Amino acid sequence: DAGVIQSPRHEVTEMGQEVTLRCKPISGHNSLFWYRQTMMRGLELLIYFNNNVPIDDSGMPEDRFSAKMPNASFSTLKIQPSEPRDSAVYFCASKKTSISYNEQFFGPGTRLTVL
Amino acid sequence: DQQVKQNSPSLSVQEGRISILNCDYTNSMFDYFLWYKKYPAEGPTFLISISSIKDKNEDGRFTVFLNKSAKHLSLHIVPSQPGDSAVYFCAASAPREYGNKLVFGAGTILRVKS
Repeated sequence: DAGVIQSPRHEVTEMGQEVTLRCKPISGHNSLFWYRQTMMRGLELLIYFNNNVPIDDSGMPEDRFSAKMPNASFSTLKIQPSEPRDSAVYFCASKKTSISYNEQFFGPGTRLTVL
Repeated sequence: DQQVKQNSPSLSVQEGRISILNCDYTNSMFDYFLWYKKYPAEGPTFLISISSIKDKNEDGRFTVFLNKSAKHLSLHIVPSQPGDSAVYFCAASAPREYGNKLVFGAGTILRVKS
């Protein structure tokens, strides 16, 4: 069974450009999470969805960041306009909502570099 | 305000010896704790977890200990192997209060020397 799929794996862009990161959760998982990893702050939760509905977006740093989940098998994280301080590795994770005490499964991440 | 803290950024251990990674938390509502392992250029992978109703959980070479009164947990790896070299993240949750959120520590880099 395929794990969480993220694309692209690497993204290099210039300041001011729009960046879209994509995620396909594990089939049957109905909770999806977006994280950002930096050296200074470790793994930060940006936003998470239950059944395609955003539940908690308190970690989204600014209005430049937005996330959508149009259906159970696809989510996007968009940064517009991007800035150099957005450079980080972005992870998507998923789990089954119905089982509270279990782990999240992570994708391989997207390494974003904003020049 | 970090609710989950891993105060050791790195740890170096000789192959065959015990590795002990520590984690402290501040929120007494947390009742489920997990450890994840992360290799370079890969996503974190689940390693072991523990519920607050237990004080120990063991899985092969990996054991997690929970001290609720001290709000402290630790991961023991015995014996340590070079393949254990990775970043280890501690995470905490309170599903009844906060839903499916996990709060992660900053991670500890473990290097196992052969």
